[in-house]
Amino acid sequence: EAGVVQSPRYKIIEKKQPVAFWCNPISGHNTLYWYLQNLGQGPELLIRYENEEAVDDSQLPKDRFSAERLKGVDSTLKIQPAELGDSAVYLCASSPGLAGGRLWQETQYFGPGTRLLVL
Amino acid sequence: AQTVTQSQPEMSVQEAETVTLSCTYDTSESDYYLFWYKQPPSRQMILVIRQEAYKQQNATENRFSVNFQKAAKSFSLKISDSQLGDAAMYFCAVDSNYQLIWGAGTKLIIKP
Repeated sequence: EAGVVQSPRYKIIEKKQPVAFWCNPISGHNTLYWYLQNLGQGPELLIRYENEEAVDDSQLPKDRFSAERLKGVDSTLKIQPAELGDSAVYLCASSPGLAGGRLWQETQYFGPGTRLLVL
Repeated sequence: AQTVTQSQPEMSVQEAETVTLSCTYDTSESDYYLFWYKQPPSRQMILVIRQEAYKQQNATENRFSVNFQKAAKSFSLKISDSQLGDAAMYFCAVDSNYQLIWGAGTKLIIKP
């Protein structure tokens, strides 16, 4: 079974430029998560999708960050414009999800992440 | 607020020996799940072991086992027969209110 796929693995951009990250979850997984991870810290949730609906985006900085999950499968996270402080690793994870059930009981499976460096 | 505390920023162990990583948490939920994830230098976050809070029996996965003390809100990870490939950051996490709450991580060093 293929795992969570993310691209690109690395990205270097100048500040104020836009950048986009792509995630393909494990086949059949309804729930998708985007995390930000700073060096030496645990992941911080940015947004959680159930199918194509963003059910928790309370920690997404909406002035510059946006995300979409068309058709409830692949997802894209965008930053525009990027700032120096956005340099981090962006992780995507997916879980099977339970329709009408206790979602949080499902284990999350992570992709390799995208390491972003903003100069 | 839900919190997860890993009090050991770094641990080292001799290859083939046993090491225990500590984790304490605070949650108001009565039913929840606890996880240990491993993140090697390649940065792929990998599930090590999970524990259901309503189960008293401690989870085990080969050389990995947990000591779950629900009343004390403690969830430590024991790694037996440590191997060089176990070197990584280890994160403890608790499912709470539809999201994982993460600890700051413990860096595990394996001495050959």
